[in-house]
Amino acid sequence: DIQMTQSPSSVSASVGDRVTITCRASQGISSWLAWYQQKPGKAPKLLIYAASSLQSGVPSRFSGSGSGTDFTLTISSLQPEDFATYYCQQANSFPPITFGQGTRLEIK
Amino acid sequence: QVQLVESGGGVVQPGGSLRLSCAASGFTFSSYGMHWVRQAPGKGLEWVAFIRYDGSNKYYADSVKGRFTISRDNSKNTLYLQMNSLRAEDTAVYYCAKDSSYCSSTSCYHYFDYWGQGTLVTVSS
Repeated sequence: DIQMTQSPSSVSASVGDRVTITCRASQGISSWLAWYQQKPGKAPKLLIYAASSLQSGVPSRFSGSGSGTDFTLTISSLQPEDFATYYCQQANSFPPITFGQGTRLEIK
Repeated sequence: QVQLVESGGGVVQPGGSLRLSCAASGFTFSSYGMHWVRQAPGKGLEWVAFIRYDGSNKYYADSVKGRFTISRDNSKNTLYLQMNSLRAEDTAVYYCAKDSSYCSSTSCYHYFDYWGQGTLVTVSS
């Protein structure tokens, strides 16, 4: 199975900050990677797929990049509603589908 | 708009069984694969099972293989997860999720573009 490792596990930031979250795959997954946002008590929401494609309706301050084993999710200017937990997911190898352990984005 | 509504969660003793349902609306259910994904309390996401749009193929995580069965009724726009021989480590919120996949001649690459609100399964004596 492909292991996905996110860093950091948690990060504190302020409204207006630029934040970057990293996801590393245990083997190459081309660009078959997605990012999800999850708020407490809610279901995850798809933000980015195919490493850099923005899901419909997602604000343009979210962007994704990377290929192979190293990927990043960037939020260009944090808004209050962005404080949540973020997960990466590899889609290259199935089954199984695997997720990173999550990155909790907290208000500083 | 796409809606997925899970039901059937609850408290069950170890070794017991439970059947979850997921009622779908707002899209052509019979044209899409569907997944179950779970999240143990305070933990991350774990993919559980997938079923193709027509029910012809099913895939499971090793942790549930042989105990859980995914199925669907396209006439009722409903997805199911039959869970048998439940263990304490199966305690989680179970989400159904609509598949968004890109397929080549040899492989398919799966994402989850819509999720239900989840249903909590607690396995405890």
